[in-house]
Amino acid sequence: EAGVAQSPRYKIIEKRQSVAFWCNPISGHATLYWYQQILGQGPKLLIQFQNNGVVDDSQLPKDRFSAERLKGVDSTLKIQPAKLEDSAVYLCASSLTGGSSYNSPLHFGNGTRLTVT
Amino acid sequence: TQLLEQSPQFLSIQEGENLTVYCNSSSVFSSLQWYRQEPGEGPVLLVTVVTGGEVKKLKRLTFQFGDARKDSSLHITAAQPGDTGLYLCAGGTNAGKSTFGDGTTLTVKP
Repeated sequence: EAGVAQSPRYKIIEKRQSVAFWCNPISGHATLYWYQQILGQGPKLLIQFQNNGVVDDSQLPKDRFSAERLKGVDSTLKIQPAKLEDSAVYLCASSLTGGSSYNSPLHFGNGTRLTVT
Repeated sequence: TQLLEQSPQFLSIQEGENLTVYCNSSSVFSSLQWYRQEPGEGPVLLVTVVTGGEVKKLKRLTFQFGDARKDSSLHITAAQPGDTGLYLCAGGTNAGKSTFGDGTTLTVKP
């Protein structure tokens, strides 16, 4: 099966600019996640979608970050305006139902590496 | 907030040596996953454990879930350079949320 697709792979922007990331999950996967991974740390959940509804966005900095999942398939994550501390890898993951269960593991894309200068 | 602490943070060994890395928490999880992440790639699932005391083997890798489902260990026998990578543990809840530790960076030198 095709994996989770993310684009772009790399993005360099200046602070206060805006940026958007795109994710196409594995076909048929109902749950989609966006994680932020800062260098030297593990992934931190930003937002979780179940189909096209938000399940958990408690860790999403809503003053600058937004995300949507179009028709319960593709998703975009936007940052506006970007800050220096947003420099990180943004990982998208999907799972068949709710993740972290034995029968529904997370499948990750290769991420987008964002550098804010 | 459920926190997972992984140790050691960095580990550098010679090919053929054995090693164990640890994942500890004060919280109880419904499941625990181990992932390996290579540079420029996303984490890839190695194993999921769900039962307290469970032991799973994947070739030279042995995973153990603590009896109280709060901690886990990963043991690698006769490490190879291909085992090099970032090993992440993640605790899962019944709500479908995964919390990740900060990982152990393993380097196996030939």
